[in-house]
Amino acid sequence: QSVLTQPPSVSAAPGQKVTISCSGSSSNIGTHYVSWYQLLPGTAPKLLIYDDDKRPSGIPDRFSGSKSGTSATLGITGLQTGDEADYYCGTWDSSLGASPWLFGGGTKLTVL
Amino acid sequence: QLQLQESGPGLAKPSETLSLTCTVSGGSVSSKTYYWGWIRLPPGKGLEWIGTIYYTGITYYKPSLKSRVTISVDTSKNQFSLKLSSVTAADTAVYYCARSKPYYYGSGSRPDAFDIWGQGTMVTVSS
Repeated sequence: QSVLTQPPSVSAAPGQKVTISCSGSSSNIGTHYVSWYQLLPGTAPKLLIYDDDKRPSGIPDRFSGSKSGTSATLGITGLQTGDEADYYCGTWDSSLGASPWLFGGGTKLTVL
Repeated sequence: QLQLQESGPGLAKPSETLSLTCTVSGGSVSSKTYYWGWIRLPPGKGLEWIGTIYYTGITYYKPSLKSRVTISVDTSKNQFSLKLSSVTAADTAVYYCARSKPYYYGSGSRPDAFDIWGQGTMVTVSS
């Protein structure tokens, strides 16, 4: 059971938009920046979003991040079959005794 | 550009120590800016952060693994390493090394998002 809660799966048709949520608490998402990662089979994980809503160089603007309170959201527009992957949120946690760095449980995106 | 490459045995026996090395190229593990971390992906499960190190040797570990984990840095070889002792089948996973961007606060910093990752190496724990 992850401290950061993500839906196990989401799906949408090519060209459509999808959002993936990441729910935490005041000691993690509520206080610290959230990052998002894409895991494609057989490839190195890729950072998609950092500091809640910033995209690294080379990440298309189809990917966006937002945060409100203790929840963060990854948005993907203009879905492509190549976007089928597992997506993870990550953040720091400052709660005493907690793991300093957390990943969500992951969300599998299916592009129908 | 900076690249990371994991290396080490693909098979470990139960109760033994798993040892992996991450070689940094196109950059320096002695950077005063970045941190260096280990993350794993067990089969059928999600990403699990193991720990992170700064070039000075400051380490951050996942509490549930802390008693079995040692992460170290070798600036002369531009590498950092992971040792995980008393392994069991539950430690079977793809192990990734990654660079961590800093988050600055006051007069200090701590690790934050992982911006560059290695390809990963599969480690199976089996007798």
